[in-house]
Amino acid sequence: SQQGEEDPQALSIQEGENATMNCSYKTSINNLQWYRQNSGRGLVHLILIRSNEREKHSGRLRVTLDTSKKSSSLLITASRAADTASYFCATVPDGTGNQFYFGTGTSLTVIP
Amino acid sequence: DTAVSQTPKYLVTQMGNDKSIKCEQNLGHDTMYWYKQDSKKFLKIMFSYNNKELIINETVPNRFSPKSPDKAHLNLHINSLELGDSAVYFCASSQVWGYEAFFGQGTRLTVV
Repeated sequence: SQQGEEDPQALSIQEGENATMNCSYKTSINNLQWYRQNSGRGLVHLILIRSNEREKHSGRLRVTLDTSKKSSSLLITASRAADTASYFCATVPDGTGNQFYFGTGTSLTVIP
Repeated sequence: DTAVSQTPKYLVTQMGNDKSIKCEQNLGHDTMYWYKQDSKKFLKIMFSYNNKELIINETVPNRFSPKSPDKAHLNLHINSLELGDSAVYFCASSQVWGYEAFFGQGTRLTVV
């Protein structure tokens, strides 16, 4: 399977704390992306990191990529109740015609 | 204006019926996708269309047939519906294949 796997499957934190989610994948990649899905809604793109990049920031989001370990992490700092959602990593492997393969997701609950 | 819109949002139908889900994007993107999300939130790619041409069919049963009358529309027709087809189906589009994807709100299909 080319899908990624997120860890943990579920995470519950207090508002104001940081949340870290990890994604592991199996094949070499062109890029890796993180998406958020609120309950009953479609996915929203958060950030993309290319295979030659190691870290990217966007607002309260920080993404790292370690291609030697085939893993990525998403850090949400100073979490808010509105961050409650499922978070998915999506890998675009090399040589597959740039297809998206989504991971299993992390369900984040931020308690006010 | 909604960027990627799907209709209907909910679809309840009996086994053996044929149904269609419509998708339209007003972003001017050349690439569109269909994804299936199961009850465990796992997202699986079904089809990708790049400028109206089918790129990849990820071993989806031939009861599923995508139709793209123009590059702004990618409809999904399903024949002889089965219980296992119950899921949420998402349409998405991207400007460049394998990069930031914009998702519709999803169509929850329930086969009874």
